[in-house]
Formats: sequence, C-alpha cells, structure tokens
Amino acid sequence: SQQGEEDPQALSIQEGENATMNCSYKTSINNLQWYRQNSGRGLVHLILIRSNEREKHSGRLRVTLDTSKKSSSLLITASRAADTASYFCATDAGGNNRLAFGKGNQVVVIP
Amino acid sequence: GAGVSQSPSNKVTEKGKDVELRCDPISGHTALYWYRQSLGQGLEFLIYFQGNSAPDKSGLPSDRFSAERTGGSVSTLTIQRTQQEDSAVYLCASSLGSGVTGELFFGEGSRLTVL
Repeated sequence: SQQGEEDPQALSIQEGENATMNCSYKTSINNLQWYRQNSGRGLVHLILIRSNEREKHSGRLRVTLDTSKKSSSLLITASRAADTASYFCATDAGGNNRLAFGKGNQVVVIP
Repeated sequence: GAGVSQSPSNKVTEKGKDVELRCDPISGHTALYWYRQSLGQGLEFLIYFQGNSAPDKSGLPSDRFSAERTGGSVSTLTIQRTQQEDSAVYLCASSLGSGVTGELFFGEGSRLTVL
C-alpha cells in the first residue's frame, strides 16, 4: 500500500485560523517531507524533518513527527488566502531513493 | 530558466497515438524523477535517473511507457499507443544528490488528455 497517507480531509477555514493536517506511514523512515501544490501547478517543497527530530518550524509552518506512531502533522498558523492549496507528505519509505507521496489534503482558506 | 522546465504544458491526443513529454532539469542536478498524478490523486512514481547509473524503471505501468535521459540532463518520457487511462498530469522533478535526502524541485507538469 502507499506510504505517506494523509488524513483524507478537505479543510475549509477562515483566514487567520490555524490549519492542521496529518500524515501516517507504515514502515520506518529516515525523513519525511511536506510539499504544497497550488491548483494546476507543480509541487513546492515546504519542510523536511528527519527521523531523529520531533518538531521543526519554518515561518508559519510547524511540523511534528512521532516515529512511534508513524505519523506527522503539519500546522499552518494564521492562515492566509494564499495558503489555499493541496498539501502532500512524502516519505523515503518507498525505498530505492524514491519518495512515496500520499493523496494530499486540500485546504481552502476563505478571505 | 532556473527551475525545472517541462513541455508541452498541455497535450491532447487521440487514443493509439504516441506522445513524448520533455523535462529539462535544473542544471547540475544529478537526480531526475517522473511522477504521474491523476485527477485528485497523489503522485505515482514512474522512473528515477541518478547520474550515469541504470535508471529505476520499476514504476512504469506498462511496456508502452519508456524514458531516457540524454547526457545526464534532459529527459524524455514516451508513451506509445496511448490509452484513455493514460490521461493525467506528468510531473518531472530534479534534485541535487538523492531526492529522498533533500528537496525535490518540480516542474509545472505536462497535462495529457487522451481522447
């Protein structure tokens, strides 16, 4: 089965609110990455967290990793309309130097 | 340009025709990936090139799909005898070193529609 599976939620939030999305995976990993995809565009790398890290911040983004639960969360604080996008997690659990992507979480931020 | 460039951005073809999709990675990036994204779905791995090593073709869905990378730079994904189920966005990405240890840089994708 596919590694890196987000909670299959479509979030719709008001601008200024926080958005949280989750990702689970099935086998051990060395790192986990989050990407954003605006409609009709390519993916943009947001953040990478290594297996020995528990939390990482980048601007308004906060990523946590719980290797015991094989899960990660991405928090976007003080959301903006420009944050409207799909968010994908990806892990190296696919082996052979490939990233395995989940199906993505669609986030809509209402101005 | 500084980013990954893909062409064509859109391709409409008739069932049974062959198509070629091109990817021009970031200069100096040794790793190049092709992924396929069907509507509303995640990314399906197709093929991985790393330097001069033999490519990892394990994700290609059938023998109608092939890819090459010339001179360690530009890559072409070829789909022969296209079928309607081949309709998808084909994404190319490149990275310094291995994409699993660092950031993948994606192109804007080639949207393929097979009628």
